[in-house]
Amino acid sequence: QVHLVESGGGLVKPGGSLRLSCAGSGFNFNDFYMNWIRQAPGKGLEWLASMTSSGSSIYYADSVRGRFVISRDNTKNLVFLQMDSLRPEDTAVYFCARVYDFWSPIDHWGQGVLVSVSS
Amino acid sequence: QSVLTQPPSVSGAPGQKVTISCTGSYSNIGAQYDVHWFQQLPGTAPKLLIYGDTNRPSGVPDRFSGSKSGTSASLAITGLQAEDEADYYCQSYDSSLSGFVFGTGTKVSVL
Repeated sequence: QVHLVESGGGLVKPGGSLRLSCAGSGFNFNDFYMNWIRQAPGKGLEWLASMTSSGSSIYYADSVRGRFVISRDNTKNLVFLQMDSLRPEDTAVYFCARVYDFWSPIDHWGQGVLVSVSS
Repeated sequence: QSVLTQPPSVSGAPGQKVTISCTGSYSNIGAQYDVHWFQQLPGTAPKLLIYGDTNRPSGVPDRFSGSKSGTSASLAITGLQAEDEADYYCQSYDSSLSGFVFGTGTKVSVL
């Protein structure tokens, strides 16, 4: 059974940093693009970043490019999101999700982790 | 910053049919990239409802159906049930953004 479990969320001050982790299990992690998607309170879904299965290519939304960095460790079935220069508008539930490639459906999501940016 | 536009809300009585539209552009839906639909219940992660424009994953009732034409797609729910009250999102790929795009989301209410 496929499982994605995020961790690392919490309360951080504006300008601060946070590193999210997502552990995958129940599938061949190496075969899938891994992605981060967020949802601000009461708002819709926003794609943030994707990394190809081998890690050779990375893609970012304009809203986070230069502040957030996605990475993965295929030996440990982990994907990370390093978030720097956090702003109050980054407050959201952050989901990791797997997809075979950009033209396939996102078929499994983690449960999400809350990041709150406030002074 | 959603690139795909959906109506904020739709409603219907039990047993009725509702339709949710998803309007994109020539860099996403109009470029023939697949459209997928998700159902999100409060406090939970989105669940894949329709993939590849018209296909249902195993376990999704056939009351849910998808279609696509030009730069738009639609999700139809027939025989509306109370358990269908949720938020629904369309999603595709956008070649100008080199990433995923989501719809603005639609709240379905069962009267």
